[in-house]
Amino acid sequence: KNQVEQSPQSLIILEGKNCTLQCNYTVSPFSNLRWYKQDTGRGPVSLTIMTFSENTKSNGRYTATLDADTKQSSLHITASQLSDSASYICVVSARAGSYQLTFGKGTKLSVIP
Amino acid sequence: DVKVTQSSRYLVKRTGEKVFLECVQDMDHENMFWYRQDPGLGLRLIYFSYDVKMKEKGDIPEGYSVSREKKERFSLILESASTNQTSMYLCASRRGTGESYEQYFGPGTRLTVT
Repeated sequence: KNQVEQSPQSLIILEGKNCTLQCNYTVSPFSNLRWYKQDTGRGPVSLTIMTFSENTKSNGRYTATLDADTKQSSLHITASQLSDSASYICVVSARAGSYQLTFGKGTKLSVIP
Repeated sequence: DVKVTQSSRYLVKRTGEKVFLECVQDMDHENMFWYRQDPGLGLRLIYFSYDVKMKEKGDIPEGYSVSREKKERFSLILESASTNQTSMYLCASRRGTGESYEQYFGPGTRLTVT
C-alpha cells in the first residue's frame, strides 16, 4: 500500500532558528514529490515540486531535498518567521499521468517569539 | 494567478439534509478534485473529474456524489448529511497529470452536521 510518513508530528521552534521536516514514502512507482504549506483553516499552498531526477529545490527560505534511492525527502526552513507557523504536508504522486496523490498527515510547526 | 473558490467557508447543517458544496476554478483546468481533511487522517480523496460530465470515485466516495456540468464548476453533494461527515472539505484543480502540473487548492469549507 502506498504510504507517506512525516516526522515529527509537531514541532516548536524559536523565531529566527532553522528547522528540518522529514518525509518517508513507500509510493511506487515514483513520479514526483510535493511539499505544501497549510495555514490553519485554509487550503494547502504549494511550496515545491520535485521529480525523480531532482534532488533539491528551493523556494525562498524553503529548501526541499529528495533521495529517491532511500525514498526520503526533507524540507528545511531557514531563519524561521512567525508566519511560518502552519502545517507542512508531503505529497507523493505514484506515476506520471496519475490523478491520485498520496498525502502525508503533515507536521504542525509553531514558531514562537 | 489560479483561483479556486468555494461557495462557503463555514456551513452548519442538520442530519438528513441535502448539502451542496460548490467549487469554481478560473484557469480552464481539466481536472478537479474533492477531498476531506480530518485531524490525524490527512487529506482523503472523495471524487475527481477529468472532464465535463466525467467523474471517478476516490478513496472514500460513500455518502457523496458529484456533478460537473461545466468545466469550471465541480459540485460535491451530500444526499443525506450525517454527523460523521462533519469535516473540512477542500476542492482542488489541476491542468493535467504531467509531472510538473501544479495542483491548486481552494480555501476549504468547514462543514458541521448536527
